[in-house]
Formats: sequence, C-alpha cells, structure tokens
Amino acid sequence: AQKITQTQPGMFVQEKEAVTLDCTYDTSDQSYGLFWYKQPSSGEMIFLIYQGSYDEQNATEGRYSLNFQKARKSANLVISASQLGDSAMYFCAMRDSPGGLTFGKGTHLIIQP
Amino acid sequence: DAGVIQSPRHEVTEMGQEVTLRCKPISGHNSLFWYRQTMMRGLELLIYFNNNVPIDDSGMPEDRFSAKMPNASFSTLKIQPSEPRDSAVYFCASSPIAGVGSYEQYFGPGTRLTVT
Repeated sequence: AQKITQTQPGMFVQEKEAVTLDCTYDTSDQSYGLFWYKQPSSGEMIFLIYQGSYDEQNATEGRYSLNFQKARKSANLVISASQLGDSAMYFCAMRDSPGGLTFGKGTHLIIQP
Repeated sequence: DAGVIQSPRHEVTEMGQEVTLRCKPISGHNSLFWYRQTMMRGLELLIYFNNNVPIDDSGMPEDRFSAKMPNASFSTLKIQPSEPRDSAVYFCASSPIAGVGSYEQYFGPGTRLTVT
C-alpha cells in the first residue's frame, strides 16, 4: 500500500483563487511528520511547510497552510491567493521513522491568469 | 551560507560506463540522503548516512550502485556499470539530524543523468 497518496495529478486554478492540494497518508506510528515541497520547472526542491503528528494547531507559513485531519489521515496543502509563480509540482512527504522522506507522486499545479 | 552542492549538474554517458555523482552537504548537518527521481517511480530514497555512517541502503536498486561518505563534507554515489534505466535526476539532501521531527531536508539542485 502506498504510504502517501496524492489523488490530483494535475490542477488548473485561476490566479488569486485559493487552492487545496490533497494528500492522504498511511502509517501505524504515533509519531510522524508531514512535509510539503514545491518543485518548479527549474527542478529544485523547495521546502514549504511541516506538520508534526502531535501538533494541535494546523501549520501556517505565509500563504501556505496545512489542513491536518489526523483521524482521516489527511494533510492537505492550502495556498491562499494563488500567484502565477505558484505553478509547479507539489509533493507531499512523510517521515515516520528516522531517515529519509517518503514522497507522494505529486500534483502538477498550473495557475492561469 | 551555501546550500547543498551537487556536481555535475548534467551527465551524459554511454551504457557500461562508470558514473560518479558528488555531493557537499550543508556545513554542520549530520545526515545526508541520496534520492532518485523518475517519471515512473517518482522520488525514491536510495540511501542515507548519519554522521558519515550508512544507516539504511535498502533503496539502492542493485549492486551496481554504491555510495560513500568519507567525511562530513563529501559524499559520492557511484553507478558501475551504468544502464539506460539509470537515467534520472539524482538529488542529494542534508539535514541537521535524521530523527522523526521537524527536521527539514535541504535539497541540492540535482544531477540529471542520461545513459545512452
């Protein structure tokens, strides 16, 4: 079974609208961390936001927020007031044991003017 | 402070040749990770080091792949012999620690490998 599932291969959104990118995860561990990374067409991986499994509040970083629903095992990324520069691949990732991250397949977001 | 440095940025080689990818982690980071990104398989962890010691190499696809970290500021990923299916973008990442927690992994720019 996949540990990280991103069900939206691609999304088109109008500029200035809010965007929600879906992510569900699967783990039996109680302690884990969830991450979102952005990969623009230039290829670099840019860290956006982190949510710990014990964090009671949803994480926020500027225009990015993470809608964390632990019981549903979902960690959706919300981008408010989307901009053209937000067009990129977005990856959800999890770490539930010491070591590397497990990534989802990604969502290709295109912001239209 | 410089980020994670990878070289070369692009590598084109012929099948059967040896390929060596290089990585310099962020100074002070104790953990180093090698990932591979392909269209078919996405981003996969190949191996990670903690304090220069390989901890988990279960993601290394075959014996043709090997990785070393001779010191805290340098790591290599070697493919010998290379095959066309090894074509991918290889990322190196580092973090202060490899534990479960908000330890962000900082990625290098990647090496795009093409094996013909």
